[in-house]
Amino acid sequence: EVQLVESGGGLVQPGGSLRLSCAASGFTLNSYWMHWVRQGPGKGLVWVSHINSEETFTTYADSVKDRFTISRDNAKNTLYLQMNSLRVEDTAVYYCAREVRGRAIDYWGQGTLVTVSS
Amino acid sequence: DIQMTQSPSSLSASVGDRVTITCRASQSISTYLNWYQQKAGKAPKLLMYTSSSLQSGVPSRFSGSGSGAEFTLTITSLQPEDFATYYCQQSYSTPWTFGQGTKVEIK
Repeated sequence: EVQLVESGGGLVQPGGSLRLSCAASGFTLNSYWMHWVRQGPGKGLVWVSHINSEETFTTYADSVKDRFTISRDNAKNTLYLQMNSLRVEDTAVYYCAREVRGRAIDYWGQGTLVTVSS
Repeated sequence: DIQMTQSPSSLSASVGDRVTITCRASQSISTYLNWYQQKAGKAPKLLMYTSSSLQSGVPSRFSGSGSGAEFTLTITSLQPEDFATYYCQQSYSTPWTFGQGTKVEIK
């Protein structure tokens, strides 16, 4: 069974940092492009970043560029999102997600809540 | 960035109704359009990919159509478990963008 389990969320002050992890099981992470998508409280879905299977290509939303870094450890079957210089507007549930067929997301984690507040 | 606009933003319908949700892109995206269903407090679930392909395990009462810049998601004979929020999403170019969502509520 494919599973994605995020961790690392929590409460952080503006300007602080957090690293989110996403542990994958039931499939081989290195065969898939992976994404982070976030959803603010009561808001819609917003794509954040993606990384190719070889970790040679990454892309970011403008709102997080130069502050967030996506990475992966295929040997550990784990995806990461390093978030620096956090802002109040980064408050959201962050989902780890797997890309497949037709460039769609077929599996999502349960999400981890990041709250940026003083 | 490609803007995705869904209509309506919300609708009320009864069990058994036919429901259609429209998604418009700000430019042509070929058929790189996906649909997701999200229930409160849960992760989204993929329903349709590349506009009209039904994801494995999704009931056949869901269907999608369209190409270019206009797309529709249709639910024939709405079931109680279909009350949720639906999002379209383009994967034609990065940044991937989602519609604002359509909340389907019980009439």
